[in-house]
Amino acid sequence: GAVVSQHPSWVICKSGTSVKIECRSLDFQATTMFWYRQFPKQSLMLMATSNEGSKATYEQGVEKDKFLINHASLTLSTLTVTSAHPEDSSFYICSARDRRLGTDTQYFGPGTRLTVL
Amino acid sequence: QKEVEQNSGPLSVPEGAIASLNCTYSDRGSQSFFWYRQYSGKSPELIMFIYSNGDKEDGRFTAQLNKASQYVSLLIRDSQPSDSATYLCAVSSGGGADGLTFGKGTHLIIQP
Repeated sequence: GAVVSQHPSWVICKSGTSVKIECRSLDFQATTMFWYRQFPKQSLMLMATSNEGSKATYEQGVEKDKFLINHASLTLSTLTVTSAHPEDSSFYICSARDRRLGTDTQYFGPGTRLTVL
Repeated sequence: QKEVEQNSGPLSVPEGAIASLNCTYSDRGSQSFFWYRQYSGKSPELIMFIYSNGDKEDGRFTAQLNKASQYVSLLIRDSQPSDSATYLCAVSSGGGADGLTFGKGTHLIIQP
């Protein structure tokens, strides 16, 4: 399989601050990365699709000015949660599209657990 | 709105038996189907993907797809306690180019 990393693995911040989460594909190039969010006892919900060199596409109900996404290279996408509030506390997981070997699948990073106080 | 339905369980299966997990989806335009395993507090791990009707086998795992019935299943043979986890069914309309729509997952418990 493919290896995707995320940093940090967990973060605690004060309400009103901004938090940046990095997602990296370590052994392949990913023109497309995705950001998901998972609340306790819930399934993963797609937040946005990140394409290298272009603006991200956000799902309905996700505020693009609050969740800033940058995909500046083929191996790195970042998600910045701006002016975080307690309701933004969640498990944020990125995935990267892998098109090698004739397949087209998504591999997930280990996730970032965000707690906003 | 695209929906993916799974029985939340828990589904309890004796060690060594076959575990059968089911999933239905609402979008007939769905083209790619995935099964992920998620342990508590961890991110999903890809188990299998299937694109065409029929069965696809990989080791102890078999995925089955019936597009006419909008139904996907995962069979786990010779179930092991380490298979105990939540299994997420996910579908995509455009292969890897589109984000995945996930079901809520089935909690599987393999009893030693």
